[in-house]
Amino acid sequence: NAGVTQTPKFQVLKTGQSMTLQCAQDMNHEYMSWYRQDPGMGLRLIHYSVGAGITDQGEVPNGYNVSRSTTEDFPLRLLSAAPSQTSVYFCASSARGNEQFFGPGTRLTVL
Amino acid sequence: AQTVTQSQPEMSVQEAETVTLSCTYDTSESDYYLFWYKQPPSRQMILVIRQEAYKQQNATENRFSVNFQKAAKSFSLKISDSQLGDAAMYFCAYRSGNSNSGYALNFGKGTSLLVTP
Repeated sequence: NAGVTQTPKFQVLKTGQSMTLQCAQDMNHEYMSWYRQDPGMGLRLIHYSVGAGITDQGEVPNGYNVSRSTTEDFPLRLLSAAPSQTSVYFCASSARGNEQFFGPGTRLTVL
Repeated sequence: AQTVTQSQPEMSVQEAETVTLSCTYDTSESDYYLFWYKQPPSRQMILVIRQEAYKQQNATENRFSVNFQKAAKSFSLKISDSQLGDAAMYFCAYRSGNSNSGYALNFGKGTSLLVTP
């Protein structure tokens, strides 16, 4: 099993550009989440999904969209990147009641 | 909303000594789980230990143990016989037992642990 994979590992954008951070898991997990990590802030929840076709907002959803068309994939979209979205992004997945497995993270810089 | 507080931004310990990292949380739920995650410079999130709220017994994993005080809403991590490889950022995290939460985690801001020879 590859576990949770994220692409790309690094990305630099200009303000106003759009992009999609990819997340995939091969463990057939129902639950998936996106977090962002900023210095001194810990990890904060952006969006989460409780199954294919079902998503909901977390603590810091503004500026981000998600969809979950399959169990395996949970992409995070930035429609118009802003410097405030410079961060490290983590995707995670879990089965019901079990621990979350994290991807390796994507470091995003918005100039 | 549940909040998790780690009051120690940085801690230092000598190799082979014991260190305790503090965490408090606030919740009105009765069904929840608590976790400690380790994040080394590689930034990979590694689960260290978990505690189910309904269990009175404190969780232990080799050199890592917790002191879970449910009434005080306190969840500290004790690292015994500290090793250089323990140097990392440590995060305390809360998870609701309600599946509608997506089993997503609420994290504290982290404690940076330095291990000196």
